[in-house]
Amino acid sequence: GESVGLHLPTLSVQEGDNSIINCAYSNSASDYFIWYKQESGKGPQFIIDIRSNMDKRQGQRVTVLLNKTVKHLSLQIAATQPGDSAVYFCAENPTDKLIFGTGTRLQVFP
Amino acid sequence: NAGVTQTPKFQVLKTGQSMTLQCAQDMNHNSMYWYRQDPGMGLRLIYYSASEGTTDKGEVPNGYNVSRLNKREFSLRLESAAPSQTSVYFCASSDGTATEAFFGQGTRLTVV
Repeated sequence: GESVGLHLPTLSVQEGDNSIINCAYSNSASDYFIWYKQESGKGPQFIIDIRSNMDKRQGQRVTVLLNKTVKHLSLQIAATQPGDSAVYFCAENPTDKLIFGTGTRLQVFP
Repeated sequence: NAGVTQTPKFQVLKTGQSMTLQCAQDMNHNSMYWYRQDPGMGLRLIYYSASEGTTDKGEVPNGYNVSRLNKREFSLRLESAAPSQTSVYFCASSDGTATEAFFGQGTRLTVV
C-alpha cells in the first residue's frame, strides 16, 4: 500500500548545529514530495518541495535531498534555531492525493 | 487573504450525535482534502476532492461523508459520532497534483 514513514520520532539538537530529518517512502509512483512544519496548535506549514526529476533542492537554511533508488527523502536544516522546534512531516503525492508520514519532533536546546 | 478557513475551531459531541465540519478556501484551488490527526501522530487522509463535483476516499473514510458544495467549499460530516473520532481535523487545498497544499488551523473535536 501507499505509505510514508520516518526513521526517528524525536530529534534533539543543539542550537546552531545542523539538523537532518529522514523519511522513507514506499510508492514508486510518487513524483512529488513536500516537507511540512507543524507548530503546536497550528496547521502544517509548507517548508520546501521537490519533484522526482531532481535530487536536491535548496531553500533558505533548508535543503531537501531525494534518493529515488532507495526511496529516501531527507530535510537538512542549517544552523538550527529555537524557532525551528516543531514536528516535521514529509508527504508524498502518488496520484492526486497527499499522503503524510508519521512525523519527527525536532527539539532545539541551548 | 484568509486562505483556508475551518469552522468550528472546537466542538464537543455526545456519542451518536451528528455534525458537519465546514471548510472554505479563497485561493481558487481545484483540490481539497480532509485529514485527521490523532495525538502524537501524523495526518491521515479521510477524503479528498480533486475537482469540483468529485470526491474520493482516502486512508480512513469509514464513519465520514463529504460534500464538495462548490469550488470553494468542502464539508465533512459525521453522521453518528463515536469516541474513536475524537481528533483534530484539518482541511487543506491545493492547485492540483504536485503542488503544495495549504492548511486550515484545524477543528478540535471531542466525542464523549
